[in-house]
Amino acid sequence: AQSVTQLGSHVSVSEGALVLLRCNYSSSVPPYLFWYVQYPNQGLQLLLKYTTGATLVKGINGFEAEFKKSETSFHLTKPSAHMSDAAEYFCAVSLTNDYKLSFGAGTTVTVRA
Amino acid sequence: DAGITQSPRHKVTETGTPVTLRCHQTENHRYMYWYRQDPGHGLRLIHYSYGVKDTDKGEVSDGYSVSRSKTEDFLLTLESATSSQTSVYFCAISDRYEQYFGPGTRLTVT
Repeated sequence: AQSVTQLGSHVSVSEGALVLLRCNYSSSVPPYLFWYVQYPNQGLQLLLKYTTGATLVKGINGFEAEFKKSETSFHLTKPSAHMSDAAEYFCAVSLTNDYKLSFGAGTTVTVRA
Repeated sequence: DAGITQSPRHKVTETGTPVTLRCHQTENHRYMYWYRQDPGHGLRLIHYSYGVKDTDKGEVSDGYSVSRSKTEDFLLTLESATSSQTSVYFCAISDRYEQYFGPGTRLTVT
């Protein structure tokens, strides 16, 4: 079984400030990890993924995430927020022998001018 | 963008009527998925398919059925729509672990 917890359903940041979105998972086997972004009235777009290898992964739009096995975490960061980063972000987990995804509840990011 | 279309994009229907949503892909991906998105729940898997005529249930499959007679099409049917099935429905496709999502169908059951 696996589950995904995103801490904080809403995050508000100032333009230019650090964006930090938290994701913790529970899994009995090593997982594959993903972050997706959803802009209003659109589908989900893959931001980045961790499968194997380097634990710090870089994605699109300046985002990156670090897999920490000891903390069962995969937090998403961006050093400097832009107005266009306002969206909903989802963390997702897949077991290494199962192509299904389990999603967190999502975190809505607002960016203040 | 992955070639995924969903139809219809919006639908309003009455309680008790059957409804079919269609997902069409042009990527020839093996796996296809149907999710529903509700506030506070993220996306929850309804059904998925791992090949033509090969389907299985997800975590919220009650009241839904699916069919896949061709690689490119995956149909989701609400056998008798209820108000609790008002939601946004997303189709996704994959070859392995990365899933690519369609634009969604907003369904309202009155």
